[in-house]
Amino acid sequence: GQSLEQPSEVTAVEGAIVQINCTYQTSGFYGLSWYQQHDGGAPTFLSYNALDGLEETGRFSSFLSRSDSYGYLLLQELQMKDSASYFCAASGGSYIPTFGRGTSLIVHP
Amino acid sequence: EAQVTQNPRYLITVTGKKLTVTCSQNMNHEYMSWYRQDPGLGLRQIYYSMNVEVTDKGDVPEGYKVSRKEKRNFPLILESPSPNQTSLYFCASSQGEKLFFGSGTQLSVL
Repeated sequence: GQSLEQPSEVTAVEGAIVQINCTYQTSGFYGLSWYQQHDGGAPTFLSYNALDGLEETGRFSSFLSRSDSYGYLLLQELQMKDSASYFCAASGGSYIPTFGRGTSLIVHP
Repeated sequence: EAQVTQNPRYLITVTGKKLTVTCSQNMNHEYMSWYRQDPGLGLRQIYYSMNVEVTDKGDVPEGYKVSRKEKRNFPLILESPSPNQTSLYFCASSQGEKLFFGSGTQLSVL
């Protein structure tokens, strides 16, 4: 199975850059995904890394280091609407990911 | 529009009264899954299915049943609900690494 650790809460100010870390322990690992969930909403897919390195999608980037069992989500030019919970998720043999407990990001004006 | 449809959105029931939460996807995805979300615990996998008639247990399957008779539908069945199954439930479908989630079902078992 998979086990993932991420901080429970991160705070930042509008316009800043914030990094949300995720470490995982796994018996079989294919890749790391990131999801965003606003209060009262469903999780929505942000990114997926199967290979080491940085993947950039607009203001959001995601990084993976397979040798360190570590990844992070980088959010740039923070906006108030980025206040949400962010989940890392590890995909293994079943192809259905296991999620971390989530990081609540609070963006202050 | 590509979507995953869950019903009902809210459900209040009593202990022991069988219930079914429906889930349907229109994207012809092979993989479907059920998660429950509880404060501080994130999304925990209940059951998943890799295709019609192929299902398997996730991390927290006790007290739940599923079936996959058709590719588009993946209902979650609680034969005898208990208060510890009060939670927010999400169905998801996927083809590859990206999961598409339904809007969720908030279940309260009294």
